[in-house]
Amino acid sequence: GENVEQHPSTLSVQEGDSAVIKCTYSDSASNYFPWYKQELGKRPQLIIDIRSNVGEKKDQRIAVTLNKTAKHFSLHITETQPEDSAVYFCAATLNDYKLSFGAGTTVTVRA
Amino acid sequence: DADVTQTPRNRITKTGKRIMLECSQTKGHDRMYWYRQDPGLGLRLIYYSFDVKDINKGEISDGYSVSRQAQAKFSLSLESAIPNQTALYFCATSDRQGGHSGANVLTFGAGSRLTVL
Repeated sequence: GENVEQHPSTLSVQEGDSAVIKCTYSDSASNYFPWYKQELGKRPQLIIDIRSNVGEKKDQRIAVTLNKTAKHFSLHITETQPEDSAVYFCAATLNDYKLSFGAGTTVTVRA
Repeated sequence: DADVTQTPRNRITKTGKRIMLECSQTKGHDRMYWYRQDPGLGLRLIYYSFDVKDINKGEISDGYSVSRQAQAKFSLSLESAIPNQTALYFCATSDRQGGHSGANVLTFGAGSRLTVL
């Protein structure tokens, strides 16, 4: 099955700086890569996703890039704000419904 | 978001006891899932169901069973709970046609925290 590794496990950034989280996947057939955000005590929610036929996707301050050759994808958050503090999970799948999640990255934005 | 409801939200039980976690949804989604969250391990799929009477094993189904009683209800059972089943359990739903990428966007419930002593 698919194996997704996520780094770093924790990330502390100064407010206004950028944050980058990287994930690698094992199955070259995977074609869908979502990112979920889980605020403290809350449920995970989708923030952005990308398909394998697209190299980059942006939504305001967040962006995701995909390198199919290297089998890795990254989440970029620019101009970080306190509300960006959360746990972020990457995931990969080749069939949409059976997501394999990374272990998560705890992001702390320092004021 | 009350459209995926999990009960109970918190439960403390003893080793060997039978436990049932329940999930109901008002989103009208066909697909329902049970995930387990452990620190440092992310979210792991236990079971999933595409329709009533359709049950599929996920990554870590041993020690668990599920029942899809109706399109809107999906329950998770631990027949004989053990301490390493202590975790946060999430129910999730998705619509096969949903998502801005045409994919299955998961809607999670609020979670059920289970402690097995």
